[in-house]
This record gives sequence, structure tokens and C-alpha cells, in this order.
Amino acid sequence: AQKVTQAQTEISVVEKEDVTLDCVYETRDTTYYLFWYKQPPSGELVFLIRRNSFDEQNEISGRYSWNFQKSTSSFNFTITASQVVDSAVYFCALSRERQGGKLIFGQGTELSVKP
Amino acid sequence: DAGVIQSPRHEVTEMGQEVTLRCKPISGHNSLFWYRQTMMRGLELLIYFNNNVPIDDSGMPEDRFSAKMPNASFSTLKIQPSEPRDSAVYFCASTRAGRVRETQYFGPGTRLLVL
Repeated sequence: AQKVTQAQTEISVVEKEDVTLDCVYETRDTTYYLFWYKQPPSGELVFLIRRNSFDEQNEISGRYSWNFQKSTSSFNFTITASQVVDSAVYFCALSRERQGGKLIFGQGTELSVKP
Repeated sequence: DAGVIQSPRHEVTEMGQEVTLRCKPISGHNSLFWYRQTMMRGLELLIYFNNNVPIDDSGMPEDRFSAKMPNASFSTLKIQPSEPRDSAVYFCASTRAGRVRETQYFGPGTRLLVL
């Protein structure tokens, strides 16, 4: 079975702190894709990153970075020097090569960044 | 470029009424997905289409729900009759289906409240 677990339901930090959002996934497939989406208070789902199972390189985009480790089935997301605008719910998702690419979402982590 | 367009953005209706949600995917995308977001169940796939053909509707809750995609630029999700437990945010997403799993881009969602 495929499953995505985001154990942290809510995280609260003070502005400028670094914060890491955890994501652990389960799949027996050798080819799969992992995603992070952001859902700000306005409600839309904003794509942040896609990573395929053959690419374990970490990625950095500005204050955002992602750590993909197949050995631990984890795809963690770190925000450096957090800002109030980072306050949102963040979803990790898994897509199989088969099944047409439907996304299996984790339950989401609500991040609150306080000034 | 226009993103995924959904209408209406908000819908309030009374139990028993028919509700129709609409989606226009990104031009050139040939896969379309309908997701539902609730507090209890999180984000879950209802149905998806490839090249206008329904591929997997196993997530459709019951016969009251139906979805169509008459052409590449339009899809509807219909609930008849609606019930209070159908209250949720309904998202439409689109992507290019091909050999490589592409990113799904989401519309702004339709917030449905059934009284």
C-alpha cells in the first residue's frame, strides 16, 4: 500500500527561525515521484517541488531546501530564516508511476510563523 | 498563462439540490483530476481522466456523484442530490500525461456548503 505520513500536525516558530517539516512515505514501487505543496490561508494549493525516485540530490531554492533519503523513505522540507508569509499548511504527496499519477497526500503540517 | 480555472468559487445550497462544479484545465494538459478536501479525510482523489476518458473513479463516494469531460477543455463534477456531508473544498488539477510523471497544477478550488 502507498502511504504518506506527516507526523507533525502543527508547528509554531518565531520569525527567522529555521524549521523542518517531516515527510515519510511508503511504497513498494521502484519508480515514484514525491511532491510538496503549500496551502496558504487563501486556500489554493501551490506547487513547490517534484522529485523522482532516481534523483536523491538535495535541492535548494532560496530559503527552501529539500532532503530526499530513500534509505529512510523520507523527503523532508526545511525553511531557513522563516517569515510570516511562510505561514501555511504544507502537504507532502506521493505519485506512483502507475495509476495515472494520482497524488496520495499526507495529512499536512500547519506552520505558524509568528513575528 | 492561465492556470486551472474552477467555478463557482463558492457555492451554498440546500440539502437535496443538484450541484455542478466546473473546471477548465491548463491548455495542452491531457489529464484532469478531481480532489476533495475535508477536515476528516484530508485531500483525496475522486476521479481522474486521461484524454477525456475516465480512468479511475474508485474515489467517487457514491452514485450521487458523477463527473464528465466532454472535451479537452472542460469537466464537470455533479452531486445530485447533495447532502450536508458533501460540504468540502473541491479541487480540480491538470497535468500532461506522458512517459514522465509531470506536476499536477491545482485550481483555486470550489468551497461547497450544503445546508
